[in-house]
Amino acid sequence: SAVISQKPSRDICQRGTSLTIQCQVDSQVTMMFWYRQQPGQSLTLIATANQGSEATYESGFVIDKFPISRPNLTFSTLTVSNMSPEDSSIYLCSVGSGAPFEKLFFGSGTQLSVL
Amino acid sequence: EDKVVQSPLSLVVHEGDTVTLNCSYEVTNFRSLLWYKQEKKAPTFLFMLTSSGIEKKSGRLSSILDKKELFSILNITATQTGDSAVYLCAVYFYNQGGKLIFGQGTELSVKP
Repeated sequence: SAVISQKPSRDICQRGTSLTIQCQVDSQVTMMFWYRQQPGQSLTLIATANQGSEATYESGFVIDKFPISRPNLTFSTLTVSNMSPEDSSIYLCSVGSGAPFEKLFFGSGTQLSVL
Repeated sequence: EDKVVQSPLSLVVHEGDTVTLNCSYEVTNFRSLLWYKQEKKAPTFLFMLTSSGIEKKSGRLSSILDKKELFSILNITATQTGDSAVYLCAVYFYNQGGKLIFGQGTELSVKP
C-alpha cells in the first residue's frame, strides 16, 4: 500500500480564515480523494481529485468553499475557506488501490478546530 | 437512499472476550464491502469482501459477507486492549470511482 503523508496534523484556526491541507503520496496515483469526518459522524467524501483536471465535488460541497489542487500524480491540497466552527472536523486524503480504486488507503489525517 | 448501518454503536468488553460487530447495507449496484479500524484519525484497512459466504481471516480478526441478507460481521476473538478503536464498515458501488459509503462506526473499548 502507498505511504500517504498529510500535514498539518492538527490546527486551531480563527473563524473567517482559510487553511490548506497538503497530501503527499510516495508513488504516482491517478485518483486522490478527500474525506471529512465531523465530530461523532462517519466519513463523507468531499471530492475526487484527478491530475490535470478539475476536481469532482459531491453533493453539498462546492469548489469555492473547498478548492482542491492536483498539480502532479503524487500531491494534492485541500483548502478549507472562510472557516466557521461547523468546519471543525478531521480531514483525510486517500488513494485507491486496484481498479476501480475501491480499496482505499488513508493519510494520517488533519484535525481542524475552528474557534 | 443508499445507506450503511452498523451496530452496536459502542461496546465495552474485557480482555479475552470475543466480539461481533455488525454491518447492514441497503444499496444499489453493490460491489464490495470493506472494514477499517480507526485509531485516533487515520482509518487502516482490514478486509475487503466481495463474495458471499467466504470468510476473510487475519489473526484474531475475521469477517464474512452475506449478500443475500445484505450484511457483514466482523469478529474479534481473544480481544486485547490494543483492539480498542472505532471499526468502520464501508460499501463500494459500481462505477463510483472511489466513493465509499461509510457506516457510523462501532466504538470498541477493551478493558484490562
